[in-house]
Amino acid sequence: QKEVEQDPGPLSVPEGAIVSLNCTYSNSAFQYFMWYRQYSRKGPELLMYTYSSGNKEDGRFTAQVDKSSKYISLFIRDSQPSDSATYLCAMPDISNFGNEKLTFGTGTRLTIIP
Amino acid sequence: DTAVSQTPKYLVTQMGNDKSIKCEQNLGHDTMYWYKQDSKKFLKIMFSYNNKELIINETVPNRFSPKSPDKAHLNLHINSLELGDSAVYFCASSQAWASGGSYNEQFFGPGTRLTVL
Repeated sequence: QKEVEQDPGPLSVPEGAIVSLNCTYSNSAFQYFMWYRQYSRKGPELLMYTYSSGNKEDGRFTAQVDKSSKYISLFIRDSQPSDSATYLCAMPDISNFGNEKLTFGTGTRLTIIP
Repeated sequence: DTAVSQTPKYLVTQMGNDKSIKCEQNLGHDTMYWYKQDSKKFLKIMFSYNNKELIINETVPNRFSPKSPDKAHLNLHINSLELGDSAVYFCASSQAWASGGSYNEQFFGPGTRLTVL
């Protein structure tokens, strides 16, 4: 079983819809939870991150963490065609200074249909 | 201004060959990484260096040898290439995690698409 599981999709929704992307994880030591966005043929870029449980909002994006269930979500409101990309959840191992490797989910490929 | 750059962008080669990928960052970061992304988009850490010192080696075959001549550069040399090495290789960099501090973002390069025939 992978440390971080993510539904690979693909997921296609019409423009303007609310999108929900999810990950589950098994390592209780994870404290930071990231969402990266990767456009086709590009490197991943950090979209947003949260620390511990709770919600964080940034424009049309909301990240949600439920540590008790080891479940994280990314919601996209009023989705736009420019949101079409692969979304990867990731968690860093911060137990060792200088060894902050990121463990990624498999990524969900999202297409917003105009 | 490119933050993390990689060369080459594409690499097509025959099985058994030896090849190198170069990475440079101009962000002044202390830590650099190599990740491998397979055809299913799964991104996995291979190595990390902190100030030219190897920190992480994630059970990568010893045909892969990273080298960090200085903290702004991290190169990856691959010997005796195999079909299974075909993937996109990403370099990334970040500031070292400050004790008790907030998360330091990893910045990724554009990737090197390696195809082994």
